[in-house]
Amino acid sequence: QVQLQQWGAGLLKPSETLSLTCAVYGGSFSGYYWSWIRQPPGKGLEWIGEINPRGGTDYSPSLKRRVTMSVDTSKNQFSLKLTSVTAADTAVYYCAKGGGAARLQSWGQGTLVTVSS
Amino acid sequence: DIVMTQSPDSLAVSLGERATINCKSSQSILSRSNNENYLAWFQQKPGQPPKLLIYWASTRESGVPDRFSGSGSGTDFTLTISSLQAEDVAVYYCQQYYSTPPLTFGGGTKVEIK
Repeated sequence: QVQLQQWGAGLLKPSETLSLTCAVYGGSFSGYYWSWIRQPPGKGLEWIGEINPRGGTDYSPSLKRRVTMSVDTSKNQFSLKLTSVTAADTAVYYCAKGGGAARLQSWGQGTLVTVSS
Repeated sequence: DIVMTQSPDSLAVSLGERATINCKSSQSILSRSNNENYLAWFQQKPGQPPKLLIYWASTRESGVPDRFSGSGSGTDFTLTISSLQAEDVAVYYCQQYYSTPPLTFGGGTKVEIK
């Protein structure tokens, strides 16, 4: 059973860059899509983007200008960077296995990222 | 973008009774190539990540109790909890994975005990 463990800074100032990493344990890494999703406090789920087995990426149109995803297959890890954060980016960020035309099968524990001056 | 609309926003059901949640997509998410509906249902409890319950609109994820069932095709889908248990109190989300980017979620339905 695959497990996802994520980490990154939880408190940022406006204009800083959010950086999160997700490590995959107990299952195959190659050959799958990997996604990031976020959830503002008390609100619903918003898909941020995905990275495919070839390292290609697709991002939400609303975040595309500020998002970069990458993968390190040697460590079974993938990462998210979101630049120029504002208070509107305050949310719990989740990594997940899946994306593309595949279900989001397994999720990380979530990281609360707060943007405040 | 495919818009997913859930109803109701919340519902209160007595223990042991049936709970029904609806999800409507703004366009068909049925693939003609494999005759599958690209629709998933998730359960989220407070402080926890979403948990996959159902995929392909009606296939239960391994380990999910059989009181959870999914149905529907094309643009209209339903999640049914046949006999509500206390541990089923949660927010439920539908999600389409037919068209990306972006993957899109419904707004969520909060299920409570009456």
